[in-house]
Amino acid sequence: QQQVKQSPQSLIVQKGGIPIINCAYENTAFDYFPWYQQFPGKGPALLIAIRPDVSEKKEGRFTISFNKSAKQFSLHIMDSQPGDSATYFCAAKGTRDTGNQFYFGTGTSLTVIP
Amino acid sequence: EAGVAQSPRYKIIEKRQSVAFWCNPISGHATLYWYQQILGQGPKLLIQFQNNGVVDDSQLPKDRFSAERLKGVDSTLKIQPAKLEDSAVYLCASSLRPGLYNTDTQYFGPGTRLTVL
Repeated sequence: QQQVKQSPQSLIVQKGGIPIINCAYENTAFDYFPWYQQFPGKGPALLIAIRPDVSEKKEGRFTISFNKSAKQFSLHIMDSQPGDSATYFCAAKGTRDTGNQFYFGTGTSLTVIP
Repeated sequence: EAGVAQSPRYKIIEKRQSVAFWCNPISGHATLYWYQQILGQGPKLLIQFQNNGVVDDSQLPKDRFSAERLKGVDSTLKIQPAKLEDSAVYLCASSLRPGLYNTDTQYFGPGTRLTVL
């Protein structure tokens, strides 16, 4: 059973566009929702994260929108640049009672065309 | 601050051979994770340590995979014997102490790319 479902699998946008990547989760006990950026040959790096007590978080050009009732969250990249071309993973973390385990989505390959 | 270190970066072996990966987490990080990332997929947790104790190893194929974290610092992950389907990137990550506010951030190493022929 996949705990976190991510879409789309791949995305191509023009420079300056606003790509949006969506994730949905099942377990209402999840308490931390990070997004990771991964470049080829590198490990994932934390981009931005949100907790379920807020509906939106912005850091620079990156925004997370969180809908607790729908059990969905999304990543928006404002003014996208070719350097943003990478694979993006959403994740969700369980609570201490469930071992604080992280569950990852399947990833979205983003290409930003100059 | 030094990041998570992993070695080797690449390894090619024949099926049924053995292989070991090493991870050195960020200093002071109590929690260490080993993930398997198959090409085109998200990381899948294999085992999670809190200091030198195992918190979760429910997805570790224990008939062939083993891991240890001696003295609560470095960790090794071993595969014996390897199968073709073990070809993947093995990622190590560490975090300060999950479950406490603002300490959930996981820091990943560069990974070890394993190819089993």
